[in-house]
Amino acid sequence: KAGVTQTPRYLIKTRGQQVTLSCSPISGHRSVSWYQQTPGQGLQFLFEYFSETQRNKGNFPGRFSGRQFSNSRSEMNVSTLELGDSALYLCASSLGARGDSPLHFGNGTRLTVT
Amino acid sequence: KQEVTQIPAALSVPEGENLVLNCSFTDSAIYNLQWFRQDPGKGLTSLLLIQSSQREQTSGRLNASLDKSSGRSTLYIAASQPGDSATYLCAVKTGAGSYQLTFGKGTKLSVIP
Repeated sequence: KAGVTQTPRYLIKTRGQQVTLSCSPISGHRSVSWYQQTPGQGLQFLFEYFSETQRNKGNFPGRFSGRQFSNSRSEMNVSTLELGDSALYLCASSLGARGDSPLHFGNGTRLTVT
Repeated sequence: KQEVTQIPAALSVPEGENLVLNCSFTDSAIYNLQWFRQDPGKGLTSLLLIQSSQREQTSGRLNASLDKSSGRSTLYIAASQPGDSATYLCAVKTGAGSYQLTFGKGTKLSVIP
């Protein structure tokens, strides 16, 4: 069974641009959540989708948005990029609806903003 | 607001030693707790998931315990191997129906051959 796939693996953007990251969950998983990982703040929750609906959102500005498609694939978008958005963005999928199943993470997208 | 702390931030041990990693959380009303490992430049791999009603979980050489009342969890690794070298993170989920986790900043483990 294929794991969680994130594309692209690396991205370099300049300030003010926007970026879209993609995540394909494990087949059959309907929950997809996104996390930002930085050396200073560690892992921080961005948002979570289940059956195309956003169920929860972390404490990030509105420049960070996401969506989930009917096949459970998810995208996140960051507009008007800032230097502080440089981070590893991780996507995770899970099987259940109640949050009591293990999370399976992709290898992440490393975003560098210059 | 839930806060998760992992001490120590880094740990170096000789191969074959048994070791314990610690995780503490401020809000004891958790739904479950997960331990992950992260290899450099990679995503996280789930090691053990303990539901709030459980006291411990075991997988191979790993054993995780949970004491909700004291806000603590430990991950015990038996007979450590160089391949165990990684950063270990604990994450707490508070409340049902969502996968929003609060992570600690991890313990970086180095097992010296």
